[in-house]
Amino acid sequence: AQSVTQPDIHITVSEGASLELRCNYSYGATPYLFWYVQSPGQGLQLLLKYFSGDTLVQGIKGFEAEFKRSQSSFNLRKPSVHWSDAAEYFCAVAQGGSEKLVFGKGTKLTVNP
Amino acid sequence: DARVTQTPRDKVTEMGQEVTMRCQPILGHNTVFWYRQTMMQGLELLAYFRNRAPLDDSGMPKDRFSAEMPDATLATLKIQPSEPRDSAVYFCASGWGLFYGYTFGSGTRLTVV
Repeated sequence: AQSVTQPDIHITVSEGASLELRCNYSYGATPYLFWYVQSPGQGLQLLLKYFSGDTLVQGIKGFEAEFKRSQSSFNLRKPSVHWSDAAEYFCAVAQGGSEKLVFGKGTKLTVNP
Repeated sequence: DARVTQTPRDKVTEMGQEVTMRCQPILGHNTVFWYRQTMMQGLELLAYFRNRAPLDDSGMPKDRFSAEMPDATLATLKIQPSEPRDSAVYFCASGWGLFYGYTFGSGTRLTVV
């Protein structure tokens, strides 16, 4: 069964600093990959997705992610974090031929002023 | 912005009682998901529908959970009887397909005492 690992449970950064959230997956074929963000008390919002093509994908709110097949990774990045980015971030992978998303356990981001 | 509406927002019930959660997907979306989120297990897929037909409910405890779509504007998730271990946040999501991404509702926080 495929799985998604987000190694960092909690990350704290200062406002204006760069950010990288890690995501590794285990899956035989090229997966469909996603990053979602969840603010407290809210549902999940799609930040970006990767299906094929350019391995660097741009998303909303200034986020980007890079797919690295050799490392089975899909890390999320942002050059300069804003206080409003404080939230929980989930990486997800879709099973081949299925609509079902398998989520990682999430990384909680705290932004210090 | 169109949104997925879930009711109730919060529900506290006693063990053994029936619980019904409702979801109004975004008009026109043909795929609807039910997810459960807990601290221990993270986000788990319970069931999903395409054009109101159930496609997969393998994540759902069959003896007590049931999911239906009586019409295109309503999806329901029912637990009977409820147990304390069912305490979680239940999310509904809708969309046109994986490529377009899914929109999540704000969830129903269920507490079974």
